[in-house]
Amino acid sequence: DPKIIQKPKYLVAVTGSEKILICEQYLGHNAMYWYRQSAKKPLEFMFSYSYQKLMDNQTASSRFQPQSSKKNHLDLQITALKPDDSATYFCASSQEDRGPAEQFFGPGTRLTVL
Amino acid sequence: AQSVTQPDARVTVSEGASLQLRCKYSYSATPYLFWYVQYPRQGLQMLLKYYSGDPVVQGVNGFEAEFSKSDSSFHLRKASVHWSDSAVYFCAVRGGTGNTRKLIFGLGTTLQVQP
Repeated sequence: DPKIIQKPKYLVAVTGSEKILICEQYLGHNAMYWYRQSAKKPLEFMFSYSYQKLMDNQTASSRFQPQSSKKNHLDLQITALKPDDSATYFCASSQEDRGPAEQFFGPGTRLTVL
Repeated sequence: AQSVTQPDARVTVSEGASLQLRCKYSYSATPYLFWYVQYPRQGLQMLLKYYSGDPVVQGVNGFEAEFSKSDSSFHLRKASVHWSDSAVYFCAVRGGTGNTRKLIFGLGTTLQVQP
């Protein structure tokens, strides 16, 4: 059974629209993250949450808004979509107790903005 | 600024041959280092990690990596590759300013294992 679920798997959107990427983790972890993988660029950290609170935001644009309605959910809302937002978005989670922990990644949502 | 460099975009080896994938990092403090693998159409899976202690760390599926502080490197090795090892391999360092948990990734190395 998948431990981190991301929905949808593929997403096509038009420029200017808004989309929500869903992430649910069933590992019992207390920290969740979003990363973005664009063509020709390294996997890029976007946000981290701990116990449903935003800990770190490395995203320059306010068009990207994480939303945590439950402790094992961390959705990503993207508004005013641009073609440059086309990428695969990965959700990850970890159990942060003492010291750095392994981050487990979901399968990703591939977003294409036309 | 912290960064990770994987100098080889693509590596091709024959099945049964040994493998080394290179990783150089730039980080001011003691680094926490990771190797992840990404199979086609899947998320990333951690192979191994280094926090401290013995510079040679063992991972899954026969992979190991060696940390070198003097060389700022964390190269991944395997004694004998299998065709199923074909994938993209990412080196990552955890860090940045403050108490961030972000992972900083290299561009990845695509490994192709030929039969």
